Amino acid sequence: QVQLVESGGGVVQPGRSLRLSCAASGFTFSGYAMYWVRQAPGKGLEWVSVIWYDGGNKYYADSVKGRFTISRDNSKNTLYLQMNSLRAEDTAVYYCARDLQLWQTLGYMDVWGRGTTVTVSS
Amino acid sequence: EIVMTQSPATLSVSPGERATLSCRASQSVSSSLAWYQQKPGQAPRLLIYGASTRATGIPARFSGSGSGTDFTLTISSLQSEDFAVYSCQQYNNWPLTFGGGTKVEIK
Repeated sequence: QVQLVESGGGVVQPGRSLRLSCAASGFTFSGYAMYWVRQAPGKGLEWVSVIWYDGGNKYYADSVKGRFTISRDNSKNTLYLQMNSLRAEDTAVYYCARDLQLWQTLGYMDVWGRGTTVTVSS
Repeated sequence: EIVMTQSPATLSVSPGERATLSCRASQSVSSSLAWYQQKPGQAPRLLIYGASTRATGIPARFSGSGSGTDFTLTISSLQSEDFAVYSCQQYNNWPLTFGGGTKVEIK
């Protein structure tokens, strides 16, 4: 079945780095734009980044621009988020999600992983 | 950045009653509006896109309406499984932005 499984979260000190992964299965990963969305404790959802199905375009929220890098390996059906210079305000559950439409970037997500928790604390 | 504002923050409703949730955009997003449902400890679930199109498998008791800056999600007769947090999201412009959510709780 269609599935996204995030990994790589944990507790990290401010200023350090972490790389999240999202393993996709059950669908043609290489045909879909993919997203990272996060949710701080007790807060609403916040879009973090998007990557086009072919990796040709990438956008970031201003809050992470210059610190986070999204990438994908279509041969491994895996999405990544490299997070550098982490701050306390980056503490959140990070979800990866799939765009609804094959070969397009519509901007909304119909398949979500269960999330991985990142805690930035000294 | 387009700011999405949802109201009310919490809605207390009895099972079987109708729930009406509002979402307002700080500028027009046309019909590029999605609604998600999220239960505690779970990932969001897409309910509505294009302001009024139900996603696959979403029951007919969920309906969306609106365009421009004002949108509504209506749950016609609340079932026990519908008590959750509902968030709207605009995708008319980058960055994508979400509302703060409306919690629908049992009255």
